[in-house]
Amino acid sequence: DGGITQSPKYLFRKEGQNVTLSCEQNLNHDAMYWYRQDPGQGLRLIYYSQIVNDFQKGDIAEGYSVSREKKESFPLTVTSAQKNPTAFYLCASSIPQAGVNEQFFGPGTRLTVL
Amino acid sequence: GENVEQHPSTLSVQEGDSAVIKCTYSDSASNYFPWYKQELGKRPQLIIDIRSNVGEKKDQRIAVTLNKTAKHFSLHITETQPEDSAVYFCAAAGKLTFGQGTILTVHP
Repeated sequence: DGGITQSPKYLFRKEGQNVTLSCEQNLNHDAMYWYRQDPGQGLRLIYYSQIVNDFQKGDIAEGYSVSREKKESFPLTVTSAQKNPTAFYLCASSIPQAGVNEQFFGPGTRLTVL
Repeated sequence: GENVEQHPSTLSVQEGDSAVIKCTYSDSASNYFPWYKQELGKRPQLIIDIRSNVGEKKDQRIAVTLNKTAKHFSLHITETQPEDSAVYFCAAAGKLTFGQGTILTVHP
């Protein structure tokens, strides 16, 4: 788990502002993911990327955007279009192997909208 | 897509008792089923996983069973300890779909 970092740990945003969450990994993993976690709920997939310069929407992509210009980095932007952005955001990476997809998670970023 | 249901949402046991958490999935093509443990404020960490060609897997006090016909799998923790208290998530498929989580509390 030490190979994935997220920053910042805590982030405060005013309504109407865009904010970008950082995710970096040095595990040489091809695939990276962003999840949102709300109290009492499981992990919901926002976006994922299986290779550089390619990414797909997950289950709750509205109001979010991503880029994957480098293998090591998968930043997530929470835009003003996201109506309820306060949540715990988790980044993960994996090497998909024949359907096996063990994911390694970063420490998370807690975003609070003021 | 895949749909994963997890029960119970909360589970309270006495130290030394066993705990069982169950998950069902919808996609019969799913072939990988991990379980993650998440302590308060921390990242989820893989504790055990099972592939569809195996019916049961054990690792010390933790075991997972898989019933492909019924499309359900379960996590079994024996001789529970207070440090087992956490949120446990099941997941299924290649692009993982997670269950809603179970808050396990082990009372000393």
